[in-house]
Amino acid sequence: GAGVSQSPSNKVTEKGKDVELRCDPISGHTALYWYRQRLGQGLEFLIYFQGNSAPDKSGLPSDRFSAERTGESVSTLTIQRTQQEDSAVYLCASSPASRGYIQYFGAGTRLSVL
Amino acid sequence: QQQVKQSPQSLIVQKGGISIINCAYENTAFDYFPWYQQFPGKGPALLIAIRPDVSEKKEGRFTISFNKSAKQFSLHIMDSQPGDSATYFCAASGVQGAQKLVFGQGTRLTINP
Repeated sequence: GAGVSQSPSNKVTEKGKDVELRCDPISGHTALYWYRQRLGQGLEFLIYFQGNSAPDKSGLPSDRFSAERTGESVSTLTIQRTQQEDSAVYLCASSPASRGYIQYFGAGTRLSVL
Repeated sequence: QQQVKQSPQSLIVQKGGISIINCAYENTAFDYFPWYQQFPGKGPALLIAIRPDVSEKKEGRFTISFNKSAKQFSLHIMDSQPGDSATYFCAASGVQGAQKLVFGQGTRLTINP
């Protein structure tokens, strides 16, 4: 596709369940970012991947959060033992190697933990 | 050091008026300052950006003013239109390689017809 694609668009889960969120970046983009957006708040950095370098995990809020990326393609964000405070929109962005500071965002996954 | 502070939280402007949103940062290592526009149910989209080597950048009705000594920057929307109603985020990052963006808290802008 032409843009960053995220799935599912909405996810409702029960407290304590694990969830997986998926991001398909723009083809050819080497960098991929995950952000969290709580209701009425700004975007909070979680993690980013740059090519084959070790990911920057400095924004992950707890060890319940993890993310993987295969090469320069799809990434999955996993939240284990979900809590109500994990309810938010999770946004993925990608950027090209030539202009790595310009990020293109997907529409996000709205996660609701009941 | 990593924060970007944005104000106001919400703003109502009459059609045709000027909308002004302000941001301030602390980290002098930041050298790229974008503004993102977000409509409900959509991801943020890059609107306009500035580097600290210029004091102003204009693209159509949108202008960024940048004050390096004060570590402040602002977005001006001239001749505001109802279609400009959205949430606006300022952000900051470095430019070398891939860089995470540090976002402001957002401003919900409403343009009344």
